Amino acid sequence: DAGVIQSPRHEVTEMGQEVTLRCKPISGHNSLFWYRQTMMRGLELLIYFNNNVPIDDSGMPEDRFSAKMPNASFSTLKIQPSEPRDSAVYFCASSFVGAAEAFFGQGTRLTVV
Amino acid sequence: AQTVTQSQPEMSVQEAETVTLSCTYDTSESNYYLFWYKQPPSRQMILVIRQEAYKQQNATENRFSVNFQKAAKSFSLKISDSQLGDTAMYFCAFMKQTSRGGSEKLVFGKGTKLTVNP
Repeated sequence: DAGVIQSPRHEVTEMGQEVTLRCKPISGHNSLFWYRQTMMRGLELLIYFNNNVPIDDSGMPEDRFSAKMPNASFSTLKIQPSEPRDSAVYFCASSFVGAAEAFFGQGTRLTVV
Repeated sequence: AQTVTQSQPEMSVQEAETVTLSCTYDTSESNYYLFWYKQPPSRQMILVIRQEAYKQQNATENRFSVNFQKAAKSFSLKISDSQLGDTAMYFCAFMKQTSRGGSEKLVFGKGTKLTVNP
């Protein structure tokens, strides 16, 4: 199995631009999580889905952030418009519903200048 | 809400020696899981060990073991025979166990940066 696949690995964009991060979970997994990692705040959950349905989006910072999971094998996290304070590493993770172990992707390092 | 506290921002150990990383947590839940994740410079998050709260026996994975004190809400990680490849950030994490069959989010501590010196 290829594991959780995130793209791109690195993204540099200008303030005000739209950014889309992509995630392909492990085949057969039906829970998907988006986390953000910064020096100041550490690792924090943004949103997670069970069976493609958003369960908890209380970590989404503001309306500029949106996430979708149109099917079991794909999810996106979109930031529009992007701001320098959005610079962080964004991780996607997946698991079986009800399982304790989550598998993480390699993360996307986003830099907004 | 659950919180996880790692009080040691940085630690160092000599190769082949033993080191213990501390973690405390706060929760009103009865059923939950605790984890230690390792994040090397490659930034990949790697599960090191997990503990189910209902189990009294401490989890062990090769050179990694935990000391789980449920009443004290303490969950420390012991690394024996430290190796250079153990150099990484280590995160303690909490997950509520749900009865409704869904998965739950991980709540992470701020991490401990461990350096293994040759």
